Amino acid sequence: DVKVTQSSRYLVKRTGEKVFLECVQDMDHENMFWYRQDPGLGLRLIYFSYDVKMKEKGDIPEGYSVSREKKERFSLILESASTNQTSMYLCASGPSLDRGGQYFGPGTRLTVT
Amino acid sequence: AQSVTQPDIHITVSEGASLELRCNYSYGATPYLFWYVQSPGQGLQLLLKYFSGDTLVQGIKGFEAEFKRSQSSFNLRKPSVHWSDAAEYFCAVGPGRHGNKLVFGAGTILRVKS
Repeated sequence: DVKVTQSSRYLVKRTGEKVFLECVQDMDHENMFWYRQDPGLGLRLIYFSYDVKMKEKGDIPEGYSVSREKKERFSLILESASTNQTSMYLCASGPSLDRGGQYFGPGTRLTVT
Repeated sequence: AQSVTQPDIHITVSEGASLELRCNYSYGATPYLFWYVQSPGQGLQLLLKYFSGDTLVQGIKGFEAEFKRSQSSFNLRKPSVHWSDAAEYFCAVGPGRHGNKLVFGAGTILRVKS
């Protein structure tokens, strides 16, 4: 079974803090993704990576950055957390072939106070 | 641009009744289509996917979906709903410019009453 793990299930941070969300996958997938999920808005893509050290902006990259130094690990960084970044963050991975679909981690619920 | 519409925000069905969740997509070529389910507090689990061939696809947990190109739809069905099916369901379309980048609908929350 594909396993995607995220470093924290719940996280509480203060406004202005730098926040790191870590994601690790064990299936040697080329592609990795970070989404945020908000009620009524579904999943919105923040960033994705299709190879080590490669990244592309998704639909809502503002206020976020990412790092992929190793194939299995994809980190999301909030440089200076703000209250409007309170959300559920989901990481996913998938093979480079179009047909692979995506496999999701359990999510991190981040609250910024 | 790609987009996915799930017209129903909430649906309530009785246990044992049939279920249909609607999904309409906009895509410039032949799409790849997916249905995911999310139980409370969990990540998304892939239910089924369509790439080509038979337009009726079978998935896990007794779900199926039918691709109708003329209607740009990919509706999810289950003949008899169980209380454990209560969850949020997401339809997605791809691929995007890179690999399996997907666009997701806003989701439909399914409630099951006993």
